[in-house]
Amino acid sequence: LAKTTQPISMDSYEGQEVNITCSHNNIATNDYITWYQQFPSQGPRFIIQGYKTKVTNEVASLFIPADRKSSTLSLPRVSLSDTAVYYCLVGGALGFQKLVFGTGTRLLVSP
Amino acid sequence: EAGVAQSPRYKIIEKRQSVAFWCNPISGHATLYWYQQILGQGPKLLIQFQNNGVVDDSQLPKDRFSAERLKGVDSTLKIQPAKLEDSAVYLCASSLNRGQTGTRRTYNEQFFGPGTRLTVL
Repeated sequence: LAKTTQPISMDSYEGQEVNITCSHNNIATNDYITWYQQFPSQGPRFIIQGYKTKVTNEVASLFIPADRKSSTLSLPRVSLSDTAVYYCLVGGALGFQKLVFGTGTRLLVSP
Repeated sequence: EAGVAQSPRYKIIEKRQSVAFWCNPISGHATLYWYQQILGQGPKLLIQFQNNGVVDDSQLPKDRFSAERLKGVDSTLKIQPAKLEDSAVYLCASSLNRGQTGTRRTYNEQFFGPGTRLTVL
């Protein structure tokens, strides 16, 4: 299982871009990188998933360098409602492979 | 599409009592997960089912926890007897091996239920 390391917490202000980096030095060849968001009293919610280079959707971008040993979740122009815990997970496309949630990054967006 | 359903949402019991949680995954999702989330921590996988077979239960305290997924659909997680340290939110999730979110194909995207908050006194 690939172990991930991400900052415990980050602070930002409304309208700013937030970049959360996750390191995963022992990522395997068939591992994907997935980010989840969790609000208080709710289950985690899928944000974005990628394998290499850059992936963008309507809420975030995911940047993955060529060596894939790290990844960066980018949230453009955050709002107060983006205050949440963000988890980086690394795992394969195989259905039986366990994904491990770390402690996540607690993002606080202030006015 | 209906999401993952869990019940009850809240449960308060005394230590040494028994408790059971129920989960109904998204229709067609073969993989079902039970997680335990202690306050301030990330979710910890307790057990993972593929259809009605167990794929991983390495972190399930088998002396007190049990889970089943009859007919490969609904699942029940039981704690018997409960300890104080079992106080946590119990999350159920389900996934397809390969799915699609918007225009992108996704792998093992997990859909979580609202969770059951258990307090053991």
